[in-house]
Amino acid sequence: DAGVIQSPRHEVTEMGQEVTLRCKPISGHDYLFWYRQTMMRGLELLIYFNNNVPIDDSGMPEDRFSAKMPNASFSTLKIQPSEPRDSAVYFCASSPLGTGSKNIQYFGAGTRLSVL
Amino acid sequence: QQQVKQSPQSLIVQKGGISIINCAYENTAFDYFPWYQQFPGKGPALLIAIRPDVSEKKEGRFTISFNKSAKQFSLHIMDSQPGDSATYFCAARWSAGGTSYGKLTFGQGTILTVHP
Repeated sequence: DAGVIQSPRHEVTEMGQEVTLRCKPISGHDYLFWYRQTMMRGLELLIYFNNNVPIDDSGMPEDRFSAKMPNASFSTLKIQPSEPRDSAVYFCASSPLGTGSKNIQYFGAGTRLSVL
Repeated sequence: QQQVKQSPQSLIVQKGGISIINCAYENTAFDYFPWYQQFPGKGPALLIAIRPDVSEKKEGRFTISFNKSAKQFSLHIMDSQPGDSATYFCAARWSAGGTSYGKLTFGQGTILTVHP
């Protein structure tokens, strides 16, 4: 398995532009997570899905952020309009159902976003 | 409010030495405590994990010590190697009932550098 695949790996955009980050989870995984990583705040959970349904979006910082999962193999995180403070590394992770106490989340390599 | 506090922020160890990273939590609703390892340009990967009913878990050179009464847990890396140089995150899982999925809350991370 290729693991969790994120694209693009790097994104540089100007303030006010729309940004779309993409994620392909590991096939067969029921849960998908979006995280944001910054030096100041560390690794924060933004939203997670179960079987393509958003379960908890309490970590989404503002209405400028939205996430969708139209099918089991694809998810997007969109920021519109983007602001410099959105600059961070965004990770997608997936996890299979029934992991018991393992709770293993498999992370992608991340998208480094720079908003100028 | 930071749910899991991790220290130190950075750690430098000589090859062959012992690396110790500490984490503390306050919320008794946590029921599982994994450690993640992250190399530059990569996403975090599960390293080792422990349940609160166990005081110690060892996997190779990596050991978790857990003190439930003090609400503290730590990662010990024995015989540290330059290849262990990475960022380490402790995490805690919110207890979830039934088929719900417990979210992970991460510590701020520790940058470990092992000198040859």
